[in-house]
Amino acid sequence: GESVGLHLPTLSVQEGDNSIINCAYSNSASDYFIWYKQESGKGPQFIIDIRSNMDKRQGQRVTVLLNKTVKHLSLQIAATQPGDSAVYFCAETYSGNTPLVFGKGTRLSVIA
Amino acid sequence: KAGVTQTPRYLIKTRGQQVTLSCSPISGHRSVSWYQQTPGQGLQFLFEYFSETQRNKGNFPGRFSGRQFSNSRSEMNVSTLELGDSALYLCASSPDLGQPQHFGDGTRLSIL
Repeated sequence: GESVGLHLPTLSVQEGDNSIINCAYSNSASDYFIWYKQESGKGPQFIIDIRSNMDKRQGQRVTVLLNKTVKHLSLQIAATQPGDSAVYFCAETYSGNTPLVFGKGTRLSVIA
Repeated sequence: KAGVTQTPRYLIKTRGQQVTLSCSPISGHRSVSWYQQTPGQGLQFLFEYFSETQRNKGNFPGRFSGRQFSNSRSEMNVSTLELGDSALYLCASSPDLGQPQHFGDGTRLSIL
């Protein structure tokens, strides 16, 4: 498959364990955040989003936490599966009026 | 509902040539954005279009241009191609501003 990034931070987890992927965002004015998953050879896939009036949002097997004080975002994946292996990106924007700014990404590797 | 469609999937060009990439957004989506993805620089914003108007432009030279048609389909053009333009070019669409963007699988452009 095509390489998304050659020197990305990598998180290796055992199948069935929980994963936590962290992201430090850059703009304190950003008020909308999105997590994307990118598998080899594909475009980023929307996972979950959160607006700045919330500090936690849950989806199916995923939870996003937002700490505006330290400009930190995290994605928690419960019961990680081999199909979760991918590169995960956080993205930030201000009121949807500024372009999405993406983080560098984290490669999640699930060990079966 | 069909996803974002980008054509062609792969393209090989030589230095000095020009190229046009096409993006068909999800039906009903009015906003289209373009990104360049490389292993070294990650995902970088190129342009955003909404109702045929360019709303934002990233920090790329004038050789990179784009447009959006009345049916929301979009094209981007790169003239006088350079080796450094080799990248995955991704298109994303959203129903409206400030809503999650959904990506196509990109066009892989290789410059020889």
